Amino acid sequence: AQTVTQSQPEMSVQEAETVTLSCTYDTSESNYYLFWYKQPPSRQMILVIRQEAYKQQNATENRFSVNFQKAAKSFSLKISDSQLGDTAMYFCAFLMNYGGSQGNLIFGKGTKLSVKP
Amino acid sequence: DTGVSQNPRHKITKRGQNVTFRCDPISEHNRLYWYRQTLGQGPEFLTYFQNEAQLEKSRLLSDRFSAERPKGSFSTLEIQRTEQGDSAMYLCASSLDGQVNQPQHFGDGTRLSIL
Repeated sequence: AQTVTQSQPEMSVQEAETVTLSCTYDTSESNYYLFWYKQPPSRQMILVIRQEAYKQQNATENRFSVNFQKAAKSFSLKISDSQLGDTAMYFCAFLMNYGGSQGNLIFGKGTKLSVKP
Repeated sequence: DTGVSQNPRHKITKRGQNVTFRCDPISEHNRLYWYRQTLGQGPEFLTYFQNEAQLEKSRLLSDRFSAERPKGSFSTLEIQRTEQGDSAMYLCASSLDGQVNQPQHFGDGTRLSIL
């Protein structure tokens, strides 16, 4: 069974600074995807960034980037130039790749990020 | 694209009552998922559909829970004889066709409170 662990329940960062959220996972599989989802207070979960396990290059999406260490089973999220709108719960998630078909997402417990002005 | 819609947003009921939630996925999305999120936790998988077929159910989905997607469009999740432990946010997500490269899009959720 796959598990996802986020060891930082809460973090805070000053506006315009950089913050890194940690995530580790456990799996014996080799073909999977990893995601970071953002859940603002009382709003829906939205996809921030995703990484395909077979790609060595780290994914980037504007101010968001990941550090994917497959051997270490680590998948951290770096947010650069933090903005007040980045305040949210951030969830790391794992998705098995069943020959091109997806299963269900497996989420960590989340990290509550507060961006301070 | 109007997004995934869930109704009601909030449901308050007494223990022992039955409740039903509805999810309308993004149109043309064949895959539909239900997750449950309790306070301080990440979402946990309950079940998913490919069109009208329910393909997988979690062990979390006790026999008091039933989900349907009769015409392959909207889905309902019913909880019978609700218990205190059922209090949670119930999230629905949909994806285009279940291909691994298609992201899951989430609704706002239905928050269930058991008195």
